[in-house]
Amino acid sequence: EAGVAQSPRYKIIEKRQSVAFWCNPISGHATLYWYQQILGQGPKLLIQFQNNGVVDDSQLPKDRFSAERLKGVDSTLKIQPAKLEDSAVYLCASSIIGTSGRENNEQFFGPGTRLTVL
Amino acid sequence: QKEVEQNSGPLSVPEGAIASLNCTYSDRVSQSFFWYRQYSGKSPELIMSIYSNGDKEDGRFTAQLNKASQYVSLLIRDSQPSDSATYLCAVNTGGFKTIFGAGTRLFVKA
Repeated sequence: EAGVAQSPRYKIIEKRQSVAFWCNPISGHATLYWYQQILGQGPKLLIQFQNNGVVDDSQLPKDRFSAERLKGVDSTLKIQPAKLEDSAVYLCASSIIGTSGRENNEQFFGPGTRLTVL
Repeated sequence: QKEVEQNSGPLSVPEGAIASLNCTYSDRVSQSFFWYRQYSGKSPELIMSIYSNGDKEDGRFTAQLNKASQYVSLLIRDSQPSDSATYLCAVNTGGFKTIFGAGTRLFVKA
């Protein structure tokens, strides 16, 4: 079974530029998560999708970050314009459902995208 | 109070010893508990899930859950240098929300 795919793996941009990340979850997983992980910290949830609907985007800086999952499968996360503090690893994860049902909350992570903003 | 707390470490143990990693959580209605291992420069990898009070063993790993004390731990027996990583505790508080701790760095000395 293929895992969570992400691209690109690395990205370097200047501040105020825009950037987009792509994620394809494990086949059959309804829930998709985008996390931001700053060095030395745990993953911080940015947005969670259930199929193509948003269930939690409370920590997404909506003035500069946006995400979509139009067909309930793959997803893109965009930052526009980028700031220096956006330098981090952006992780995508998926789970079967992500609601009740204990095993369904097990999340599986992609390799991540390391973003450097100069 | 942070919702999921872990000692950041580093925790250093000699090869062959038992490593004990601890995690406390604040939401009493939490239902599902997970341990992830994250090697430097890599993404988190799920190693254990536990849902009921008591112990759950998988190979050299044992997860322990005490809901009354809001405490979950991970024991690694016969620690190996390859176990050196950051261990993340994650707690699902019911419904949609899973919260990650900041992680504990473990070093196993050969």
